[in-house]
Amino acid sequence: SYELTQPPSVSVSPGQTASITCSGDKLGDKYACWYQQKPGQSPVLVIYEDKKRPSGIPERFSGSNSGNTATLTISGTQAMDEADYYCQAWDRNTVVFGGGTKLTVL
Amino acid sequence: QLQLHESGPGLVKPSETLSLTCTVSGGSISSSTYYWGWIRQPPGKGLEWIGTIYHSGSTYYNPSLKSRVTISVDTSKNQFSLKLSSVTAADTAVYYCARVLYSTIGHYYYGMDVWGQGTTVTVSS
Repeated sequence: SYELTQPPSVSVSPGQTASITCSGDKLGDKYACWYQQKPGQSPVLVIYEDKKRPSGIPERFSGSNSGNTATLTISGTQAMDEADYYCQAWDRNTVVFGGGTKLTVL
Repeated sequence: QLQLHESGPGLVKPSETLSLTCTVSGGSISSSTYYWGWIRQPPGKGLEWIGTIYHSGSTYYNPSLKSRVTISVDTSKNQFSLKLSSVTAADTAVYYCARVLYSTIGHYYYGMDVWGQGTTVTVSS
């Protein structure tokens, strides 16, 4: 079965750039999306089709996907960005989530 | 504005069947550009996809759960439902329903943009 691998945790200082990676076999051949989940809340789609932002998502969120790795980048990270982030892709008609990355802003 | 709302028992006994319903409001479940999905999250763990359904009734299931899962749709009620049989404590989780974006031109999925608030299901005697 297809698998997506994320680092368990990433730390960033306020105002700096955070990068969260997601690795999978030939992931670049698929569309990747990213979700933000804060404690006690439902996930929120922040990136779809590798690099597109849904309406209402700040411009500081961006994405890329090439080769075996998709990357979520948060520029000028703010305290409110502290959350769990999940990458996700489709393998044919099945949904695959990465294990999630806890982003700490300190 | 589209909203999703999960409903069902919060407590299920081991070996019994978990049943949840997701009610779609503010939009039609029969739109050709959306699928509908169930996702769960055990306490302190990550997201796990359970399955996806189209308004026509076409379904796709997580292979690891396929033998126990049934997802159905009722377009007249704008609802879709989940049944998970023979539950154990490992099925204790927050269960979410979500709208799945689908491109009818390129024939690909590209995100889950609307989620319900989630419902906690505990499996315990």
